[in-house]
Amino acid sequence: NIVMTQSPKSMSISVGDRVTMNCKASQNVGNNIAWYQQKPGQSPKLLIYYASNRYTGVPDRFTGGGYGTDFTLTINSVQAEDAAFYYCQRIYNSPWTFGGGTKLELK
Amino acid sequence: EVQLQESGPGLVKPSQSLSLTCSVTGYSITSNYWGWIRKFPGNKMEWMGYISYSGSTSYNPSLKSRISITRDTSKNQFFLQLNSVTTEDTATYYCARSYEGVMDAWGQGASVTVSS
Repeated sequence: NIVMTQSPKSMSISVGDRVTMNCKASQNVGNNIAWYQQKPGQSPKLLIYYASNRYTGVPDRFTGGGYGTDFTLTINSVQAEDAAFYYCQRIYNSPWTFGGGTKLELK
Repeated sequence: EVQLQESGPGLVKPSQSLSLTCSVTGYSITSNYWGWIRKFPGNKMEWMGYISYSGSTSYNPSLKSRISITRDTSKNQFFLQLNSVTTEDTATYYCARSYEGVMDAWGQGASVTVSS
């Protein structure tokens, strides 16, 4: 089975900074990746699908990129409300495996 | 607007079965795929399986011997059963609507503790 590895596990960022987090697939998955944001006490929310497509209503400061085995989620000008866990997920072919998550904290 | 709501016991004894219901409003479960996902206390997220618009299922290989996902289209509900639970199954369980694995609508989550 394909393993999804996210890095870093956590990061502490100041409001207004630009942040990039990574997701690496153990095999080529093409562009079959989604990204989710989960804030404490809330259910996950879809941010990006097929690696780079922003979901409806997602602010344009969120950008997804990558293909094959290496993927990124970039947040330009981080806002206080962006503090959350972020998960990548393999999509299209099951099993729809999740990465271990990146915790984004604000300084 | 689609809405999903998980329901079921919050406490299950070890070796027993965990059963949860996902009630869907605003969208028919005879379209798309409908999945179960859980998040463990350490923040690891695990996709458990899905039932499709036609009733076919797919399960995470790590759970295949213990899991069953079924549905009642007349009530627009789908169900999770996980057998022979242990304390390792303590988690928050989510149901979600999916298209090709992309989960665009989630329930609020149901916290389940496995303990004697």
